[in-house]
Amino acid sequence: GENVEQHPSTLSVQEGDSAVIKCTYSDSASNYFPWYKQELGKGPQLIIDIRSNVGEKKDQRIAVTLNKTAKHFSLHITETQPEDSAVYFCAASGNNAGNMLTFGGGTRLMVKP
Amino acid sequence: NAGVTQTPKFQVLKTGQSMTLQCAQDMNHNSMYWYRQDPGMGLRLIYYSASEGTTDKGEVPNGYNVSRLNKREFSLRLESAAPSQTSVYFCASSEAYRTANTGELFFGEGSRLTVL
Repeated sequence: GENVEQHPSTLSVQEGDSAVIKCTYSDSASNYFPWYKQELGKGPQLIIDIRSNVGEKKDQRIAVTLNKTAKHFSLHITETQPEDSAVYFCAASGNNAGNMLTFGGGTRLMVKP
Repeated sequence: NAGVTQTPKFQVLKTGQSMTLQCAQDMNHNSMYWYRQDPGMGLRLIYYSASEGTTDKGEVPNGYNVSRLNKREFSLRLESAAPSQTSVYFCASSEAYRTANTGELFFGEGSRLTVL
């Protein structure tokens, strides 16, 4: 089955700086890579996703890059703001019936004002 | 718009006690899921229901049972709670099972369970 490793487990940045969270996956058949943000006391919420036919995707201050050869993908947040403080989860899955979405262990991002 | 609603939000059990976590969604989604969240381990799938009338095991099903009561409701039961089941439990839903793997999951706010 799929295995997703996420680093770092905690990340502290100054407001306005950039933050990068990296994930690696094991199953070369995986082709869907979402990122979820979990605010304190809330459930995770999808913030961006990427499919394997795309190398990069941007949405305002967040971007995700995918390197299928190396089997890793990253979340980039620019101009961080205090409201970006949360736990971020990466995930990976294939599109075959029965393929489960496998989550990484999470990264706690703290943005210091 | 409530989305996915879970009850209770907090529960303390003694080893061996039983309880049921309730989940309801109002988005007319076909598929529903139960995850557990433990520090450093991300979200792990316990059971899922791809459509009304079906349920299947996920990654960590041992010690749990589920019931898809109707299209809106999906419950998780612990028959004999153990300390290893201390966790935060999340219910989620998606339009269809395949879209969980290629589209958005909608999560509830979680139920924190402590087993003493």
